Amino acid sequence: KNQVEQSPQSLIILEGKNCTLQCNYTVSPFSNLRWYKQDTGRGPVSLTIMTFSENTKSNGRYTATLDADTKQSSLHITASQLSDSASYICVVSAGSWGKLQFGAGTQVVVTP
Amino acid sequence: DSGVTQTPKHLITATGQRVTLRCSPRSGDLSVYWYQQSLDQGLQFLIQYYNGEERAKGNILERFSAQQFPDLHSELNLSSLELGDSALYFCASSPQGIGDNEQFFGPGTRLTVL
Repeated sequence: KNQVEQSPQSLIILEGKNCTLQCNYTVSPFSNLRWYKQDTGRGPVSLTIMTFSENTKSNGRYTATLDADTKQSSLHITASQLSDSASYICVVSAGSWGKLQFGAGTQVVVTP
Repeated sequence: DSGVTQTPKHLITATGQRVTLRCSPRSGDLSVYWYQQSLDQGLQFLIQYYNGEERAKGNILERFSAQQFPDLHSELNLSSLELGDSALYFCASSPQGIGDNEQFFGPGTRLTVL
């Protein structure tokens, strides 16, 4: 069983609207959580990295939240643009050397 | 542009063959990671090298092997290729050997096995 579960699997939103992606994890011990954006056929690009003590982190129109108690994270996209169409991957780093566990990703499609 | 380069960009080969994928990390990065991403699948960690030494192993098949050279570039060797090996192969690099470092991904090599 994957230790990092993302929902929804896919999402279609209208340009200009907001959306929220979810990530639940069971990875332990927790080190940090990252969100990556991956355009089709290209390498993932880091959006945010949060450690245990951080609740919120923003990168432009992307805002990630972390609740380490409930082991949940969300990524909020504000005022979506067509260029936001991509897969968003939640990655949790565990253990002393930080082994990474990847979620399957949420595919976001922004339509005009 | 992440600063990580991968060659070739595309590779088409036949079952049973052997191929080599190459990765050059960002300047100054000591760690290289290899990942496989099959169609509509998530990223699967294969192997990590740090400063020439194998640091961690993931879901890497015995038919696959990798190495990191003194100049820190890395190669992933895939042998006895099967149809199921068709995938995008990504290389990532980070400054140090621990996974906590942010990883910077290359553009990937698309392997098609016919």
